[in-house]
Amino acid sequence: ETGVTQSPTHLIKTRGQQVTLRCSSQSGHNTVSWYQQALGQGPQFIFQYYREEENGRGNFPPRFSGLQFPNYSSELNVNALELDDSALYLCASSSPGQGAFFGQGTRLTVV
Amino acid sequence: AQSVSQHNHHVILSEAASLELGCNYSYGGTVNLFWYVQYPGQHLQLLLKYFSGDPLVKGIKGFEAEFIKSKFSFNLRKPSVQWSDTAEYFCAVNATTNKLIFGTGTLLAVQP
Repeated sequence: ETGVTQSPTHLIKTRGQQVTLRCSSQSGHNTVSWYQQALGQGPQFIFQYYREEENGRGNFPPRFSGLQFPNYSSELNVNALELDDSALYLCASSSPGQGAFFGQGTRLTVV
Repeated sequence: AQSVSQHNHHVILSEAASLELGCNYSYGGTVNLFWYVQYPGQHLQLLLKYFSGDPLVKGIKGFEAEFIKSKFSFNLRKPSVQWSDTAEYFCAVNATTNKLIFGTGTLLAVQP
């Protein structure tokens, strides 16, 4: 177990809806990153939060947004869902020199 | 743009065979390198990492990887695989930012 927990584990949404995914980071880690993993591909970086501020963003549109809270937990919000947003969404927490530790992910299906 | 290439998409081995999975990255500066493993139904787990120092890195479960800077490579090796090593293996790199760039993964199936 990594200590990184994500909720929910599975989710089905309709195209056009909005979704919020949640992540609790490992104790002592103040950096949280979100990744999208489509079937058969490696995880793709969405963005990273450090001490409640966005600290880097990948090639994802603005309808992907996030938050980090004072306890370093985090949310990923996706607006106006599209069919191609169907994927496994991974949260990872990290501290300098340790590498990133991943949660089990949230499997999002958009129909 | 930084990228990571994993040459083998699917590898099938018999137990006790030796394993080497290739990983090459494109970036000319200082990098941190990682191998992650994803067992069926489980989360991504860190196998090993290279930040600096000895280019031969030893990780968990008997895995090791060698960083060869001149070849931009970080190949994963294990002398003798077990059925329980069946999983998907991802190479990843981070360079100028904290984001991890992953390869497309290699599915390893070990036959008993």
